[in-house]
Amino acid sequence: DQQVKQNSPSLSVQEGRISILNCDYTNSMFDYFLWYKKYPAEGPTFLISISSIKDKNEDGRFTVFLNKSAKHLSLHIVPSQPGDSAVYFCAASHGKLTFGQGTILTVHP
Amino acid sequence: DTAVSQTPKYLVTQMGNDKSIKCEQNLGHDTMYWYKQDSKKFLKIMFSYNNKELIINETVPNRFSPKSPDKAHLNLHINSLELGDSAVYFCASSPSGGAQDTQYFGPGTRLTVL
Repeated sequence: DQQVKQNSPSLSVQEGRISILNCDYTNSMFDYFLWYKKYPAEGPTFLISISSIKDKNEDGRFTVFLNKSAKHLSLHIVPSQPGDSAVYFCAASHGKLTFGQGTILTVHP
Repeated sequence: DTAVSQTPKYLVTQMGNDKSIKCEQNLGHDTMYWYKQDSKKFLKIMFSYNNKELIINETVPNRFSPKSPDKAHLNLHINSLELGDSAVYFCASSPSGGAQDTQYFGPGTRLTVL
């Protein structure tokens, strides 16, 4: 019973364009949401987060949107760069982190 | 000067063996975690320790036993290894274990059980 799901295993985007990564969750008790980025042979690194009392949080090229009624989270990267190519995990917290299965983002030059 | 380090990086062993994975953090954090990334790529928490005390113990077989000799170290010992234990194991740490803490991950240990 996966409470956090990333239904797109992969996403391919041209450099300079927008990347949109999506995440759905089922547990309404989650009150904090995060995105982690992972390069091969490395551990996940924190990217951006959002509290359930907000619907948007922005940090440079990265913006996270939260739609609580739809139980949906998205990460926008604008403009996308080849160095953004990685696996992106969303995670939701209610005392402990529950991760999705990740989306592989490839940004082509 | 790696923040969270794990050894070994790769571990290949036979079914039935006992093995340990070590984790150390030099961030001065109070809380450490073990996660398992299974074949479906989900990262699932196994254990968390706060200042050497067990805080989270998910539904994990008794063959898995974490040990925290001090708050900078959290080792994972696995007895009687099974094929299904093959996975990537990540150690992580966070300042206090709070719900909004950022967790810092190690590079992972890929365990293969033959």
